[in-house]
Amino acid sequence: DTEVTQTPKHLVMGMTNKKSLKCEQHMGHRAMYWYKQKAKKPPELMFVYSYEKLSINESVPSRFSPECPNSSLLNLHLHALQPEDSALYLCASSHSSGYNEQFFGPGTRLTVL
Amino acid sequence: GESVGLHLPTLSVQEGDNSIINCAYSNSASDYFIWYKQESGKGPQFIIDIRSNMDKRQGQRVTVLLNKTVKHLSLQIAATQPGDSAVYFCAETFSGGYNKLIFGAGTRLAVHP
Repeated sequence: DTEVTQTPKHLVMGMTNKKSLKCEQHMGHRAMYWYKQKAKKPPELMFVYSYEKLSINESVPSRFSPECPNSSLLNLHLHALQPEDSALYLCASSHSSGYNEQFFGPGTRLTVL
Repeated sequence: GESVGLHLPTLSVQEGDNSIINCAYSNSASDYFIWYKQESGKGPQFIIDIRSNMDKRQGQRVTVLLNKTVKHLSLQIAATQPGDSAVYFCAETFSGGYNKLIFGAGTRLAVHP
């Protein structure tokens, strides 16, 4: 299995809602990532988990809360988002050491009303 | 700040021609570079990578060239096909960078029949 899967594919939420994005991989990778991508822009790193521990937080607002329950799963909990948070949220995974490509999932298209 | 940039935001080519997509990087400590292809509605897909101890690497129909002297990276696509139409991103990282990828702005490749 060489896929990173993400659910849901699309999500519409209000500013007072709480929702979660999910990501899963079964490639034995021990590093997992969340990226945010606005239209016509490159992906921007949000969080990096290495061996289920948060290793990088790119000064992301606390309304985004990542969680890594085990080596195969990565969640992103969303609360009190703003319309400007509407974007494509990408999950990726890779081996945790050495020079390794990151494998990306298809993303969750998030719209905040 | 440190960044990875591209010279051309859009490249239009005829089917069958060769395509060259360029990328400039500014972090002299970067030692691993990746090219990704992103089709509409999908996550980035790995194309080819290169380490700083190399100046050229070839894959199937693609070649990456690295010029460390001028901090320049290029992706060459031979015999471009309509299926190559996508946005192409270069990305850089460095050993000890905790797998933190920095993406360039992206180039849209449009292949015309």
